[in-house]
Order: sequence, then C-alpha cells, then structure tokens
Amino acid sequence: DAMVIQNPRYQVTQFGKPVTLSCSQTLNHNVMYWYQQKSSQAPKLLFHYYDKDFNNEADTPDNFQSRRPNTSFCFLDIRSPGLGDAAMYLCATSRTLGPANTEAFFGQGTRLTVV
Amino acid sequence: AQSVTQLGSHVSVSEGALVLLRCNYSSSVPPYLFWYVQYPNQGLQLLLKYTSAATLVKGINGFEAEFKKSETSFHLTKPSAHMSDAAEYFCAVRGNTGTASKLTFGTGTRLQVTL
Repeated sequence: DAMVIQNPRYQVTQFGKPVTLSCSQTLNHNVMYWYQQKSSQAPKLLFHYYDKDFNNEADTPDNFQSRRPNTSFCFLDIRSPGLGDAAMYLCATSRTLGPANTEAFFGQGTRLTVV
Repeated sequence: AQSVTQLGSHVSVSEGALVLLRCNYSSSVPPYLFWYVQYPNQGLQLLLKYTSAATLVKGINGFEAEFKKSETSFHLTKPSAHMSDAAEYFCAVRGNTGTASKLTFGTGTRLQVTL
C-alpha cells in the first residue's frame, strides 16, 4: 500500500563520508521533493524535481545534490556530511505543481545520524 | 510570499476535551491551506486541506478546520481528544503558481493528551 517509500528508515554515516538516501513512488507523480527536518523544527524544502527539471532552493547548501533517473525514483546525495546535517529527511510527491488541490504525499522519512 | 504562524508550540489537553490548534496565514494570493500530522519518527500525513470550496473543511480522524479570511486563520479543531491524537501538527500554505506553489510549513504544535 505504501505509495512513497524511503530507504533506509535509519542511516548512520561517518563525518565527511558521502551518503545517499533513496525515495521511490508508485503514484506516477510528476513532482518529487526533498525536505530536511531538524529536531523540533518544520520541514524545510531543499529542492524538487518537476519531471526531469531540477529546482534548487536558494539556501540549499552545495553539499546537497539530487538525482532523478526516472519517474519513480529520486535520490538525495550528501557529499560530505557534517554533524549539522543530522536530521530527518522527507521525500514527498505531488501530481503537479500548480493547482491548489494538489496535495503532497510524504514518505516515512529517513533519519540520518552523523558520527 | 506566503507564510503560516502556529501559535503555541505545545498544547496539552485532557482526553475527551476539545482540541484547538491555531494557525494564521499570510499570503498575497488566495491561499491553499493544509494541516498535516506527524507521529514520532514518521512522515507527514495529510489531515485536511482548504482549496477555496467550503470554508469548513472536514478531515480524517474527526478533525476539522475553518477558513476565516477576515481573521486570516485556519485553526484545527476536534471536539473530543483521544490518546492516539498525541502527535506533532503542522499547518502549511501553498500558492497556486510557480515558486509560490511549494508548501511552506509552520513551526508545528506538539499535542499532548493526558488522562
């Protein structure tokens, strides 16, 4: 039944060691988003894809990259994780960008720990 | 630009009591408003959404919210709290064009339900 699936649910990585988080969807939605949520804070949008078009938020650090090889999959790459990158990372999808009733569907999240 | 403000980072109610979680919005265009719930170490689940149809919106789990343009508010209510309602609740706003179409979240309200 899961429509937006994130793997793994928990990820531990070493300081400075590249890490990749994955997200897949069965909804065939055009848009996929990555949010970062630090403890007791609101989710913060890092970037999104509309089909193959990548849209980076202005304040997203260069350390964060993303790939979307096909409609179903999207990856978040953190090139050199720092202690400050420890957070819950949420993937979401929506059918499209424009219409108001286009809700976002969220995955269960990946909790990243940096040691 | 759009934003939402959630008044009260923590709200505690007794089981069976009324739940009221406050959200005020700021938007230069007609807003589209959402309430999401997040359980510990989980993703976000949509509770309800306002998309300019009815001002009183009913959602899942007995929650509802009323859009009041004059007060720029979209407060979430539930007549009778249940222990299973304990979670973090996020109000979010979304525009309908371009970059305004992304979701912007409030800082969240943690609901505690006591016996």
